[in-house]
Amino acid sequence: RKEVEQDPGPFNVPEGATVAFNCTYSNSASQSFFWYRQDCRKEPKLLMSVYSSGNEDGRFTAQLNRASQYISLLIRDSKLSDSATYLCVAYSGNTGKLIFGQGTTLQVKP
Amino acid sequence: DAGVIQSPRHEVTEMGQEVTLRCKPISGHNSLFWYRQTMMRGLELLIYFNNNVPIDDSGMPEDRFSAKMPNASFSTLKIQPSEPRDSAVYFCASSLFPGTVKEQYFGPGTRLTVT
Repeated sequence: RKEVEQDPGPFNVPEGATVAFNCTYSNSASQSFFWYRQDCRKEPKLLMSVYSSGNEDGRFTAQLNRASQYISLLIRDSKLSDSATYLCVAYSGNTGKLIFGQGTTLQVKP
Repeated sequence: DAGVIQSPRHEVTEMGQEVTLRCKPISGHNSLFWYRQTMMRGLELLIYFNNNVPIDDSGMPEDRFSAKMPNASFSTLKIQPSEPRDSAVYFCASSLFPGTVKEQYFGPGTRLTVT
């Protein structure tokens, strides 16, 4: 079983739709969590951190449920430019490593 | 400011040849990571360094792979001999350790094709 698991999709949604991605992690010692975005044939870039209290950045909302070891990303009013792969990431201070999920592909259609 | 720099951006080589990938981390960053990304396996951590010292190389697939960081501004990942299954995109990333933000900054990657 992978340490961080995501539904690979693809998620095909129309512009303006709300879409949610989920992610589960198996290592309860994971301390911090992130969502990275990767455009086609580009490098991953940090989208946002994920906190237990939830955090919002414009149209993007991330949530963490430590009890269920579950992370989510909600995108509201999706734009064509949101089309990308979204990588769920767990960080363990014990190892100093980021563990990446396989990624969820989003395609926003006009 | 310059980000993480990798070279070459593309490499096509024949099976059995030696391949050397290069990385220059962001100035001031003291952690450096080498990743490999394929469709089948996603993004995998191969090895990482803190202050030029290899900390964890458990992701290095086999003895054909080796990595060095002779100084704070340069690292290499070498594959010798290369095999077709090594074809992938290899990313280098750097960060500041320890830091309150765990963000890693990725280079543009080297797309390796072994024929």
